[in-house]
Amino acid sequence: DIQMTQSPSTLSTSVGDRVTITCRASESISGWLAWYQQKPGEAPKLLIYKASRLEAGVPSRFSGSGSGTDFTLTINSLQPDDFATYYCQQYITYPYTFGQGTKLDIK
Amino acid sequence: EGRLLESGGGLVKRGESLRLSCAASGFAFSDYAINWVRQAPGKGLEWVSSISSSSSHIYYAASVEGRFTIARDNSKNSLYLQMNGLRDEDTAVYYCMSDPKVRGDPVRGQGTLVTVSS
Repeated sequence: DIQMTQSPSTLSTSVGDRVTITCRASESISGWLAWYQQKPGEAPKLLIYKASRLEAGVPSRFSGSGSGTDFTLTINSLQPDDFATYYCQQYITYPYTFGQGTKLDIK
Repeated sequence: EGRLLESGGGLVKRGESLRLSCAASGFAFSDYAINWVRQAPGKGLEWVSSISSSSSHIYYAASVEGRFTIARDNSKNSLYLQMNGLRDEDTAVYYCMSDPKVRGDPVRGQGTLVTVSS
């Protein structure tokens, strides 16, 4: 199985900050990476697919980059609505696997 | 806007069975591959199973292979997860969600809680 490792696990941030979350795959997944946002009590919401493609309706302050094994989710000018947990997921092969999550806390 | 609505969760004893349903509305369900993803209390996300739009391709996580069965009925815009031989570690919120490979608008349910107790 492909292992997905996210860092950091928790990030204390403030409104207006620029945030970077990294995700590393245990082997190359080309660009088959998705990023999800999850708020407490809600289902995960797909933000980015194919490593860098923003889903319709997702604010442009979110961006994704990377290919192969190393990927990044960047949030520019963090907004109050962005405090949530973020997960990466590879979907190049089954079993699909998720990173362990990165929780954004208010500093 | 497309929606998925899970149902069928509940409290069961170890070894018992449960059938989850996922009702689709507002989008072309028959064009979408759908996944079941679960989340144990306080834990991260775990992919459980996938089914292609026509049911021709089905996949399971090793942790549920042989115990869970995914199925869909496109005429009823519905997805199912038959769960047999439930274990304590199957306790989780189960979400049905569109596969990230789908190029339509993503859809997701609100989740249904399955609790397995001895």
